[in-house]
Amino acid sequence: GAVVSQHPSWVICKSGTSVKIECRSLDFQATTMFWYRQFPKQSLMLMATSNEGSKATYEQGVEKDKFLINHASLTLSTLTVTSAHPEDSSFYICSALGQGGSNEQYFGPGTRLTVT
Amino acid sequence: DQQVKQNSPSLSVQEGRISILNCDYTNSMFDYFLWYKKYPAEGPTFLISISSIKDKNEDGRFTVFLNKSAKHLSLHIVPSQPGDSAVYFCAASASNDYKLSFGAGTTVTVRA
Repeated sequence: GAVVSQHPSWVICKSGTSVKIECRSLDFQATTMFWYRQFPKQSLMLMATSNEGSKATYEQGVEKDKFLINHASLTLSTLTVTSAHPEDSSFYICSALGQGGSNEQYFGPGTRLTVT
Repeated sequence: DQQVKQNSPSLSVQEGRISILNCDYTNSMFDYFLWYKKYPAEGPTFLISISSIKDKNEDGRFTVFLNKSAKHLSLHIVPSQPGDSAVYFCAASASNDYKLSFGAGTTVTVRA
């Protein structure tokens, strides 16, 4: 149980275009999901907290107009990188908070974004 | 400001021996700690956790120790196996906040 998927697993896009990444909880409902970003050999940095049916909460320094988050259902959150630039190239990972008040987060496999 | 620190970026250990990974934190509000294992180009997978009411939690080959006064925790893997070669992240959260703060990770290499 507690499987989280991401799609796509990798994507290459041209500078200036937008890319949407999906995060799905496959066998449980997730009212809260998180989006992280990881640069090579660095830690996972929390970008935003996504709550079903409400606006996402962004961490300091993360541009909410650039990284659009939508959590329209209990099993799906999407991250759209708008007007992507090469510096947005990174590994994006989502996680879903476990049910029943658990602190455990279940992570997706990640999406490798390369902006050319 | 990094609230969770893993000061050893890498660790090499012989198969069968013990791997000890260390983690320090600065935020005294943290009361729940987790270790995740991560392979390249994959998401982290949960390994073991400990709450601040305990000082030790054991699960098979994995044991986590928590020293609250020193704001330090460690993960022991014994015996180490080649399949344990991965990056290990320490993470922490406060009970009033589900957000996780991650350390920078320690790359473990288990030599045959």
